[in-house]
Amino acid sequence: NAGVTQTPKFQVLKTGQSMTLQCAQDMNHNSMYWYRQDPGMGLRLIYYSASEGTTDKGEVPNGYNVSRLNKREFSLRLESAAPSQTSVYFCASSEVPLETQYFGPGTRLLVL
Amino acid sequence: EDQVTQSPEALRLQEGESSSLNCSYTVSGLRGLFWYRQDPGKGPEFLFTLYSAGEEKEKERLKATLTKKESFLHITAPKPEDSATYLCAVQADTDKLIFGTGTRLQVFP
Repeated sequence: NAGVTQTPKFQVLKTGQSMTLQCAQDMNHNSMYWYRQDPGMGLRLIYYSASEGTTDKGEVPNGYNVSRLNKREFSLRLESAAPSQTSVYFCASSEVPLETQYFGPGTRLLVL
Repeated sequence: EDQVTQSPEALRLQEGESSSLNCSYTVSGLRGLFWYRQDPGKGPEFLFTLYSAGEEKEKERLKATLTKKESFLHITAPKPEDSATYLCAVQADTDKLIFGTGTRLQVFP
């Protein structure tokens, strides 16, 4: 079992460019999440999907969109990247909404 | 306002020197408290879930406890491989999951 996988591992963008971060889990979990982690601020929830077919905004959704493609996959899209979106992005999944979560290895994004 | 505070921000220990990390919270109804370990450059790794005051969980040198206002992660006779950032998260009745900013632990031989 790979658990939660994320691609890419690292990305550099210019301001205004778009990109999609991919996430997949093989644990048959119902719920999936996208977080960003910035120094001194802890993990902040961007969007989550409690179950296949549903998505909800988290604490910091502005500038992002998500798609729950199927039960396994949950993608995060930046339509027009800004330097403030420079961060480390983590995807996570859980069997039950907001219960014990399992995290991917992260995507390090630098927006110039 | 729901809040989770971890202390200290950083902790340096000699190998074998036991200590405790604190996670204090103010939320509108606790549904669960989670401890994670995060190594540099990696994603958080699940350690424990606690649901009610008085509950305790143990794993190797780690023991997590919970009261109505805070949780402690006790580390007994730590080894250098225990060096990591330890994160606490609280699930509130409002269906929010709030993470603390973590305690960075360094254990020296």
